[in-house]
Amino acid sequence: SQQGEEDPQALSIQEGENATMNCSYKTSINNLQWYRQNSGRGLVHLILIRSNEREKHSGRLRVTLDTSKKSSSLLITASRAADTASYFCATDASDTGGFKTIFGAGTRLFVKA
Amino acid sequence: EPEVTQTPSHQVTQMGQEVILRCVPISNHLYFYWYRQILGQKVEFLVSFYNNEISEKSEIFDDQFSVERPDGSNFTLKIRSTKLEDSAMYFCASSDWSSGGSGELFFGEGSRLTVL
Repeated sequence: SQQGEEDPQALSIQEGENATMNCSYKTSINNLQWYRQNSGRGLVHLILIRSNEREKHSGRLRVTLDTSKKSSSLLITASRAADTASYFCATDASDTGGFKTIFGAGTRLFVKA
Repeated sequence: EPEVTQTPSHQVTQMGQEVILRCVPISNHLYFYWYRQILGQKVEFLVSFYNNEISEKSEIFDDQFSVERPDGSNFTLKIRSTKLEDSAMYFCASSDWSSGGSGELFFGEGSRLTVL
């Protein structure tokens, strides 16, 4: 399986603190993405990092990718209560040339006001 | 802003019945997907669809499931003879040509299926 696996499974922090979530995957990838899901809602794309990139920023988000370790991290700086959600990493997983994006189990982030 | 729309938002059905979940992807997108998420669990890939045919499918997507793009706008998931374990949230997603099939996915809000 090429699923990403996130850790921690759950994270509780105070507003203003930084939140770091990690993702590991098993095989080579073209890109890795991070998504957010509010409870009971659809997933929303946050950021995509390509396999030849090591770091990417978007607002308060910072993503790193280490292809040698097959891992990625998502850092949310200066967290807000509104950041409370589940966060998933996703990798392109097809080994047959088709289109298949696989999601990890996710990290549940709770930001306390 | 364009969005993926799904209907129904919630469907309750009896075990053994057929269910059709409908999705309207973003209009200029070419790649379509179905995922499911059992309550509180991971988002599981079911199938991807491109150029009017299945691109990839998971082991979950057995003969009980089928997908169709009956016209230029709808993308449907049919579940024949539903089972209790089919109870889940089903998400449709689409992506555009510029990202290929492995770029940013745009998700609908999901259809919750409850099988009794």
